[in-house]
Amino acid sequence: DTEVTQTPKHLVMGMTNKKSLKCEQHMGHRAMYWYKQKAKKPPELMFVYSYEKLSINESVPSRFSPECPNSSLLNLHLHALQPEDSALYLCASSTWTGRGYRAVGEAFFGQGTRLTVV
Amino acid sequence: AQTVTQSQPEMSVQEAETVTLSCTYDTSESDYYLFWYKQPPSRQMILVIRQEAYKQQNATENRFSVNFQKAAKSFSLKISDSQLGDAAMYFCAYRSGGLFGNEKLTFGTGTRLTIIP
Repeated sequence: DTEVTQTPKHLVMGMTNKKSLKCEQHMGHRAMYWYKQKAKKPPELMFVYSYEKLSINESVPSRFSPECPNSSLLNLHLHALQPEDSALYLCASSTWTGRGYRAVGEAFFGQGTRLTVV
Repeated sequence: AQTVTQSQPEMSVQEAETVTLSCTYDTSESDYYLFWYKQPPSRQMILVIRQEAYKQQNATENRFSVNFQKAAKSFSLKISDSQLGDAAMYFCAYRSGGLFGNEKLTFGTGTRLTIIP
């Protein structure tokens, strides 16, 4: 199984809503990522979790709150978003361990959640 | 900080022909990984090919091959016998091979490839 599964595929939310994006993988990867991608742009890294600990936060606004409950699951909690936050949100995982080990694996991506903030 | 540059925003090729997508990068590291990802309209980023910087041999995956020039910091992708299913946005990406805290995958701006039937 080389799949990263993201739910939902599409999400429309108001600026006062609270919603969550979910990402799941069963490849035994211990690094998981959230990327944001605007139309016709490359993905931009938001967060990295390594061994269920947050290892990178790319200065993302606090209205985005990541959570890694276990090694297979990654959530992104959304609250009080702005219309400019509308984008494709991609989850990825890799075999990179981040604990003194060399980066050994490519990142596997999910299909993304298309988020629209109204 | 590492940067990845793709100077061709759009490319087109006739079906069954060969096309080369360019990528250059800037880094002071000696240990790193380079990737080409494909993103079709379905949105999913799909790994096309990977190259470890310490390997001199160019990577090949079926119709896809790279020309890795480490000294020139160049990493181009050649697609042979182009097929309609190859139409997509192609991203070149860099990842450090270093220790903890270097998990970041840095992407170029992408090249949109169109296949002409």
